[in-house]
Amino acid sequence: ILNVEQSPQSLHVQEGDSTNFTCSFPSSNFYALHWYRWETAKSPEALFVMTLNGDEKKKGRISATLNTKEGYSYLYIKGSQPEDSATYLCASRGGSARQLTFGSGTQLTVLP
Amino acid sequence: DSGVTQTPKHLITATGQRVTLRCSPRSGDLSVYWYQQSLDQGLQFLIQYYNGEERAKGNILERFSAQQFPDLHSELNLSSLELGDSALYFCASSVGPAGAPLHFGNGTRLTVT
Repeated sequence: ILNVEQSPQSLHVQEGDSTNFTCSFPSSNFYALHWYRWETAKSPEALFVMTLNGDEKKKGRISATLNTKEGYSYLYIKGSQPEDSATYLCASRGGSARQLTFGSGTQLTVLP
Repeated sequence: DSGVTQTPKHLITATGQRVTLRCSPRSGDLSVYWYQQSLDQGLQFLIQYYNGEERAKGNILERFSAQQFPDLHSELNLSSLELGDSALYFCASSVGPAGAPLHFGNGTRLTVT
């Protein structure tokens, strides 16, 4: 079973601040890294799927980078807005596991 | 709307009973995943099917079983229920078996009393 770690566990920022979170995963036999956004009382929604070392993806004010050699991915939010408040999950598929394993998430609260 | 339909939304049952959770994947998706979210826990992988075949298995209890039918819908069967089985059970689907993003249903909230 893969060990996918996310930090920090929770984060409070002011509206307009930029922020970033980290996802760590085993680098051996890496296959794919996913990011999801999970708002309260809703279900997770996919943000990005990345597979190549050095990949960078962007969607509006949110972007992500991937380093498969050292086993980490960063998610960046530029100019945070209250509507960005959610739990951000990463998930990795790799190693000997064929399953997609989720981290525990980073809970972001953007204060107006 | 993700296009993934889970029924029922809520289920309340007693210990020792058996329940079936149902999932209809998004149109065109061949892969179905089941995840469990217990109180204060993250998403725990249970099992994945791809086009009717079991693709990957997590720490799924022997009391739990699942299958994917020819029309691609999936059912998760939970038997001899215990209080600790109370959780939110998510189904997700994706186009392919491995590299595509998952689309989640709204979950089934199971309460075992």
